[in-house]
Amino acid sequence: GQNIDQPTEMTATEGAIVQINCTYQTSGFNGLFWYQQHAGEAPTFLSYNVLDGLEEKGRFSSFLSRSKGYSYLLLKELQMKDSASYLCAVREGETGANNLFFGTGTRLTVIP
Amino acid sequence: GAGVSQSPSNKVTEKGKDVELRCDPISGHTALYWYRQSLGQGLEFLIYFQGNSAPDKSGLPSDRFSAERTGGSVSTLTIQRTQQEDSAVYLCASSPPGSRGSGELFFGEGSRLTVL
Repeated sequence: GQNIDQPTEMTATEGAIVQINCTYQTSGFNGLFWYQQHAGEAPTFLSYNVLDGLEEKGRFSSFLSRSKGYSYLLLKELQMKDSASYLCAVREGETGANNLFFGTGTRLTVIP
Repeated sequence: GAGVSQSPSNKVTEKGKDVELRCDPISGHTALYWYRQSLGQGLEFLIYFQGNSAPDKSGLPSDRFSAERTGGSVSTLTIQRTQQEDSAVYLCASSPPGSRGSGELFFGEGSRLTVL
């Protein structure tokens, strides 16, 4: 099974930096993913980590520590359009399976 | 179409009725996934297909839920004798062959089901 925890809500100021944390407990870990979901829309892929360390992609970075069961998503130079839910998801190591197990999501509100 | 297509986008039904939700994945995507998202909740995994077979049905909440996929393409999620707790957005996603490296799932807009 999976146990994925992330904060329910966060608020940050336009132009600032925000870090959204995710902790997980799972068997056969084989990757951690972050998705963005705007209200009423489909989730879209942001990042993927399978090895420890930081993956940077423009204003967004994602970090993973497998030994600690911990990841964070870092958003820099926040823009109003970044207001959305951010979903942390883990994949377990079943052969041929790519199904992801999601946390409840963190709703980020960016204020002027 | 260019993306994952789901229908209907909205469905209101009476308790006890059966409903069918349809998902048309991106052409060439071999894997297809169904998730459920209740109000204020995360995505709950229901079932996934590799081709026409479903290796993992562990997420289906009860025997009222079933899904099939034919021709390695369109999938139908059927909920029999709907209950009010079935009210949620049902999301479908697909992924192409060899996608385990990135793990990217491509989601549809979802079907919002309301059971009165």
